[in-house]
Amino acid sequence: EVQLVESGGGLVQPGGSLRLSCAASGFTFSTYGMNWVRQAPGKGLEWVSYISSSTSTIYYADSVKGRFTISRDNAKNSLYLQVNSLRDEDTAVYYCARGMVLPYNFFDYWGQGTLVTVSS
Amino acid sequence: QSVLTQPPSVSAAPGQKVTISCSGRSSNIGNNYVSWYQQLPGTAPKLLIYDNNKRPSGIPDRFSGSKSGTSATLGITGLQTGDEADYYCGTWDSSLSAVVFGGGTKLTVL
Repeated sequence: EVQLVESGGGLVQPGGSLRLSCAASGFTFSTYGMNWVRQAPGKGLEWVSYISSSTSTIYYADSVKGRFTISRDNAKNSLYLQVNSLRDEDTAVYYCARGMVLPYNFFDYWGQGTLVTVSS
Repeated sequence: QSVLTQPPSVSAAPGQKVTISCSGRSSNIGNNYVSWYQQLPGTAPKLLIYDNNKRPSGIPDRFSGSKSGTSATLGITGLQTGDEADYYCGTWDSSLSAVVFGGGTKLTVL
């Protein structure tokens, strides 16, 4: 059974940093592209970042470019998102999701999410 | 303002059919595959449709997808109260080099 379990969220002050993690199991993690998608309270889905299976291809949404860094450790079956220079508008549930972005774009498994709250 | 445009809400009676539209442009829907997601209250999104019109294993054939030009449509037949959820379309935008989602449509089964 495919499982994605996020962790690392919490309350952080504006300008602060966090490292989000996603532990994967039930599939060959090293052969799949992975994504982070976030959802602000009461709002819609916003894609954040993608990393290919080999880490050769990485994309970011303009809203986080230069502040967030996606990475993965295939030996540990783990996906990460380093979030720096946090702003109020980064408050959201952050989901990791399995899937590629090109040429086929879909996310077939999602974690339960981890909440990041940016507030002073 | 989302790159893809969906109606904020739709409603229909149990047993009826409903369609949800998703409008974009040539840089996204017009030249890339569309996927659809269902998000039940308080849960993570779930893939409903991929590659415009394909259903993952376990998704009933009451759910269907189609694409024409720069628009896509999700259809749901035989509506059930358990279908009440938010529905999102998504695709790749070649101009933005980013995945884009619609703003979401809240389905109410009256």
